[in-house]
Amino acid sequence: DQQVKQNSPSLSVQEGRISILNCDYTNSMFDYFLWYKKYPAEGPTFLISISSIKDKNEDGRFTVFLNKSAKHLSLHIVPSQPGDSAVYFCAAKVGAGNNRKLIWGLGTSLAVNP
Amino acid sequence: DGGITQSPKYLFRKEGQNVTLSCEQNLNHDAMYWYRQDPGQGLRLIYYSQIVNDFQKGDIAEGYSVSREKKESFPLTVTSAQKNPTAFYLCASSPRSYSYNEQFFGPGTRLTVL
Repeated sequence: DQQVKQNSPSLSVQEGRISILNCDYTNSMFDYFLWYKKYPAEGPTFLISISSIKDKNEDGRFTVFLNKSAKHLSLHIVPSQPGDSAVYFCAAKVGAGNNRKLIWGLGTSLAVNP
Repeated sequence: DGGITQSPKYLFRKEGQNVTLSCEQNLNHDAMYWYRQDPGQGLRLIYYSQIVNDFQKGDIAEGYSVSREKKESFPLTVTSAQKNPTAFYLCASSPRSYSYNEQFFGPGTRLTVL
């Protein structure tokens, strides 16, 4: 049973437009959320994160929104660039101390077309 | 350049053989992790190590073993007891334990057991 769901396996966007990647979760105990980006033949790299006590975090072209009541977060990329084409993973942290762990989504493949 | 290396990129083994996947980092990170990725699943944690000579089981440790004799190295052995060893394996490190937003990943090793 997937606790972190990225329901869109792929997304295609025109260069310059907004990309919106969605992530839904089921566990209300998640207290920290992260987005990772992965290019082919490379490992994932950390992109942006948000604590559950916030509803928005912005870093340059990337903004993550968190809607706790809906158990939903989204990553907005504005404006989208061809170099943003990659697989984006949503991950959520649960637990404390030595019981902390990350639960990962399956990823969404973003293609930004020139 | 600092980073994480995993070798080899592709590995083939016969069923019943143990195989060791290499992971080396020169980032001076204390913590290291091994993940497994399967189609239709998010990343799942196999083992992690917070410091040299210490490691803990993750969510799917059965059939795997690790060692952490040096800070830079965290090899993973896939034993013959692992029922479904064919997968993509990712190694990661972070400066401190559980600092997931500072987690660096290697490029991965794809293991195929014939």
